[in-house]
Amino acid sequence: GENVEQHPSTLSVQEGDSAVIKCTYSDSASNYFPWYKQELGKRPQLIIDIRSNVGEKKDQRIAVTLNKTAKHFSLHITETQPEDSAVYFCAASLFNQGGKLIFGQGTELSVKP
Amino acid sequence: DSGVTQTPKHLITATGQRVTLRCSPRSGDLSVYWYQQSLDQGLQFLIQYYNGEERAKGNILERFSAQQFPDLHSELNLSSLELGDSALYFCASSSRSQGNTGELFFGEGSRLTVL
Repeated sequence: GENVEQHPSTLSVQEGDSAVIKCTYSDSASNYFPWYKQELGKRPQLIIDIRSNVGEKKDQRIAVTLNKTAKHFSLHITETQPEDSAVYFCAASLFNQGGKLIFGQGTELSVKP
Repeated sequence: DSGVTQTPKHLITATGQRVTLRCSPRSGDLSVYWYQQSLDQGLQFLIQYYNGEERAKGNILERFSAQQFPDLHSELNLSSLELGDSALYFCASSSRSQGNTGELFFGEGSRLTVL
């Protein structure tokens, strides 16, 4: 089955700096790669996603890149703000088949003012 | 508010006991997923149901079982509880009919503490 590895497990940056979180997946059939943000004590919420027919997607300060050949994808957050502090999870699944999401272990991002 | 309702929010019980967690998906969503989140752990996929039928199974223990009812709500049953079962259990739902975005909408979770 699918296995998703996520690095780093913790990341601390200064406000205004960029943050990058990387994930690798094992199943080459996976074609949908979302990122979820979980604030302390809250539920995970989708922040951005990418499908395998796209190499990069951007939404304001966040972007995701995908390298299908290498089976890895990354989340980039620019101009970080204290409210970006949270745990971020990457995931992989088979889109269009109602496929289950397999999540990475999570990255705890801390943005210091 | 995601539209996914989970009850109870908190539950404290003893080892060896049995509990049932309940989830009502968003209106119209046919798929229900259960995830376990232990301390310092990620989101471990347990099981998925689609329109009443089991669709996929993850690392779900034999002591755990689930079902989805005709009204699409789902229950996760945890029996012979052990200390290590203490965790936050999330239910999520998604729709195959609304553009099939793949997005999962999570409930607030049920926090289980086994003493």
